[in-house]
Amino acid sequence: QQQVKQSPQSLIVQKGGIPIINCAYENTAFDYFPWYQQFPGKGPALLIAIRPDVSEKKEGRFTISFNKSAKQFSLHIMDSQPGDSATYFCAASLNEKLTFGTGTRLTIIP
Amino acid sequence: DAGITQSPRHKVTETGTPVTLRCHQTENHRYMYWYRQDPGHGLRLIHYSYGVKDTDKGEVSDGYSVSRSKTEDFLLTLESATSSQTSVYFCAISTASLNEQFFGPGTRLTVL
Repeated sequence: QQQVKQSPQSLIVQKGGIPIINCAYENTAFDYFPWYQQFPGKGPALLIAIRPDVSEKKEGRFTISFNKSAKQFSLHIMDSQPGDSATYFCAASLNEKLTFGTGTRLTIIP
Repeated sequence: DAGITQSPRHKVTETGTPVTLRCHQTENHRYMYWYRQDPGHGLRLIHYSYGVKDTDKGEVSDGYSVSRSKTEDFLLTLESATSSQTSVYFCAISTASLNEQFFGPGTRLTVL
């Protein structure tokens, strides 16, 4: 059973655009929602995270929007750059364990 | 990489052979995790540890065992490797806030 559904699977955006990656979860007991960024050949790196009592969190060009009633959250990347090209994973945490989405391969074209 | 190393970084082995992957941390974190990453599946939890000699199963634990005899080391063993265990394996640790997990560089394992 996939508890965290992520879309789209891949995304191509022009430099300066705002890619949006969406995730939906099923278990309302999840209490922490991180996003990870992964470059080829590297381990995932924690990018930004949010707790369910907050509707939005910004860190630099990265923003998480959280909709608790819809059980959805999304990642927005402002002023996207070619260096943002990577695979992005959403996740949800419960009891010190993370459940991951299947990933989105993002390509930013110059 | 939050003081996490994994060894080996690459390994090719044959079906039926035992394989042990090692994760080493330098920062004395209590929680450690083993994940596998496969296309279309994201990262899936294999086993985790919440202290020395304290381990528990994750989502995809069949065919894997773990051991943690020291805080800094978490070992993943494939008793008899199968081709379906060809994957990239990541170790992770949790910081004091528990929810924040940081990943090692990964081990690419190929089972022929």
